[in-house]
Amino acid sequence: SAVISQKPSRDICQRGTSLTIQCQVDSQVTMMFWYRQQPGQSLTLIATANQGSEATYESGFVIDKFPISRPNLTFSTLTVSNMSPEDSSIYLCSGMGTYGYTFGSGTRLTVV
Amino acid sequence: EDKVVQSPLSLVVHEGDTVTLNCSYEVTNFRSLLWYKQEKKAPTFLFMLTSSGIEKKSGRLSSILDKKELFSILNITATQTGDSAIYLCAVGFGSGGSNYKLTFGKGTLLTVNP
Repeated sequence: SAVISQKPSRDICQRGTSLTIQCQVDSQVTMMFWYRQQPGQSLTLIATANQGSEATYESGFVIDKFPISRPNLTFSTLTVSNMSPEDSSIYLCSGMGTYGYTFGSGTRLTVV
Repeated sequence: EDKVVQSPLSLVVHEGDTVTLNCSYEVTNFRSLLWYKQEKKAPTFLFMLTSSGIEKKSGRLSSILDKKELFSILNITATQTGDSAIYLCAVGFGSGGSNYKLTFGKGTLLTVNP
């Protein structure tokens, strides 16, 4: 299966600032996704990262808050913009290929 | 609305016990059901099930899918303390060819005591 490198692993950020999370896959994947896992909750899909075009966002998530890029088949970024303490979560990228779904190592974000 | 329900939400057992985790689902255009183990941040893939009645096995873990009754079980035999984790069930759905999205259940927190 593919290996997905995600960074940063964790960060503590001031409210009102932005953080960009990167994911690099070691092989091509057909689809890439971004998830959020709030404390004590399961994974919630934020958006599907589409190569070379705008991401497809799920209900409750908007591009201005969570801009996503995917310039090629193996790389994607998620930015958490104008952060507030409610954005404190684990953020996970995922890639889908012929092997199924694999997750990146996750980013634990704390907003203070 | 698509949904995935896992039970129990938490479970405490002793080493050597056998556990069964449950996952039921209601989705449109079912594609697959996946089980993951989450210890820290990243879920680790365990099984992907697409056909009813075919057991998948990996060591002490096994899983089976019933597409008629819309559920799956994950069995862990001879549990060890290293099995302590959150076990997540996810269901893939969608009609767009080979690509589809996952929706996750809330997970089962398994604690194995020595």
